[in-house]
Amino acid sequence: GQNIDQPTEMTATEGAIVQINCTYQTSGFNGLFWYQQHAGEAPTFLSYNVLDGLEEKGRFSSFLSRSIGYSYLLLKELQMKDSASYLCAVQDSNYQLIWGAGTKLIIKP
Amino acid sequence: IAGITQAPTSQILAAGRRMTLRCTQDMRHNAMYWYRQDLGLGLRLIHYSNTAGTTGKGEVPDGYSVSRANTDDFPLTLASAVPSQTSVYFCASSMDANNEQFFGPGTRLTVL
Repeated sequence: GQNIDQPTEMTATEGAIVQINCTYQTSGFNGLFWYQQHAGEAPTFLSYNVLDGLEEKGRFSSFLSRSIGYSYLLLKELQMKDSASYLCAVQDSNYQLIWGAGTKLIIKP
Repeated sequence: IAGITQAPTSQILAAGRRMTLRCTQDMRHNAMYWYRQDLGLGLRLIHYSNTAGTTGKGEVPDGYSVSRANTDDFPLTLASAVPSQTSVYFCASSMDANNEQFFGPGTRLTVL
């Protein structure tokens, strides 16, 4: 079966760095996406990885290792507005997205 | 219209009633999707359309139908609503099937 695993909840301090992990087992792989979702709102696109390695975009970076089915999202210089759920999604062989349940990130002052 | 819109924002519906959730995008995206999001679960794909005139079934299609008569609109119909269809429904679109998806604001549906 297809499976995406990520921690249910994480807590971090304002100004710090946090790493959110995602492991996956899917039928085929055509890319991995990270989305941010604030409570009561729609998901918004953060990053896309299709090749191994690190993609950096401002305070956010995303890493992929296809051989072990692993990705992480790294958030630096945390701000209170980063409190949200972070969704990992893998595009399978049919280009459909398989979604993890999301990681709720709580930022404390 | 800017981006992707959904209507209604929320709805309370009696079981057995028919309901259509509307979705419209003005980005000329080829692909569109309907998801449901339930607490503790990831987004689950209900139906999708890779281009106008075609549709496909996702992970949880039973009890739902869609149509894609043109590029902009992708309505989702519940023929006879049941309480297990209580959920938040998101419509999304992407330029093509392998691009990032843009989401509408969602419809919160409660079936009693």
